[in-house]
Amino acid sequence: KAGVTQTPRYLIKTRGQQVTLSCSPISGHRSVSWYQQTPGQGLQFLFEYFSETQRNKGNFPGRFSGRQFSNSRSEMNVSTLELGDSALYLCASSLVASYSDVFFGPGTRLTVL
Amino acid sequence: GENVEQHPSTLSVQEGDSAVIKCTYSDSASNYFPWYKQELGKRPQLIIDIRSNVGEKKDQRIAVTLNKTAKHFSLHITETQPEDSAVYFCAASKTGAGGTSYGKLTFGQGTILTVHP
Repeated sequence: KAGVTQTPRYLIKTRGQQVTLSCSPISGHRSVSWYQQTPGQGLQFLFEYFSETQRNKGNFPGRFSGRQFSNSRSEMNVSTLELGDSALYLCASSLVASYSDVFFGPGTRLTVL
Repeated sequence: GENVEQHPSTLSVQEGDSAVIKCTYSDSASNYFPWYKQELGKRPQLIIDIRSNVGEKKDQRIAVTLNKTAKHFSLHITETQPEDSAVYFCAASKTGAGGTSYGKLTFGQGTILTVHP
C-alpha cells in the first residue's frame, strides 16, 4: 500500500505571495492532518479534515487554510507569505477510528525569501 | 489545550547502553500516546504507541510505559545501536473523542539521541 504523498517537495516563494500544497493520504484513510515543523517551534498541528470538513484547528492565523476533496485528498494554502512561514509542512493521514495510527508524508519544504 | 513536555532534549549513549526518554502531558482526557523517530531529512515514523488502558507495551528493543495517574509516559530503548541515532518525538492525542479527532497530535519538543559506536 502506498504511503502518504505530498507535492511539491520543495518550494521557494517571496514574501506576500501565496502557496498551495497538496497531500494524498494512504488508500482508505479519510482523516488528513497538517503540521508545521520548524527548528524553534517543533511539530505544531495546523488542522484536521475528514468527510471534507475541517474538524480541528491549531493556533495559526487565518492566512493558513485548507480543504479536503471527496477522494480524501487535501490541500493547504498559505496566503500573504511571511519569512516566518519558512518550514517543513507535513501531511498525515489516519483511519477515522479510535486509536488509529497516524502516518506522515515526506513533507514540503517551503522557503520564503 | 493539551501540553506535552519532553526530556531530555539531547541524549548521548554508548552502543549497547539503554536510553530513556520521558514525557508528561496535561490533559487527563488524552488516551493515545505514539512515539515517532525522525532521521535527518526524513519524515517522522511511528515506532510504537500505547493506549490509556494499557500500562506497558514492548516491541523487540523498544518499550513504552504509561502512568495515567501521574500523566507521564516514557520510551525505553535497550541495546542501542548507531542506527537508533535520530530525533524522537512523543505525542498525545484524544483520539476518537466524540468522533471529532483522529489525527490531531500534540507533540513534545523532541529528543536528539546519539548512539556512539
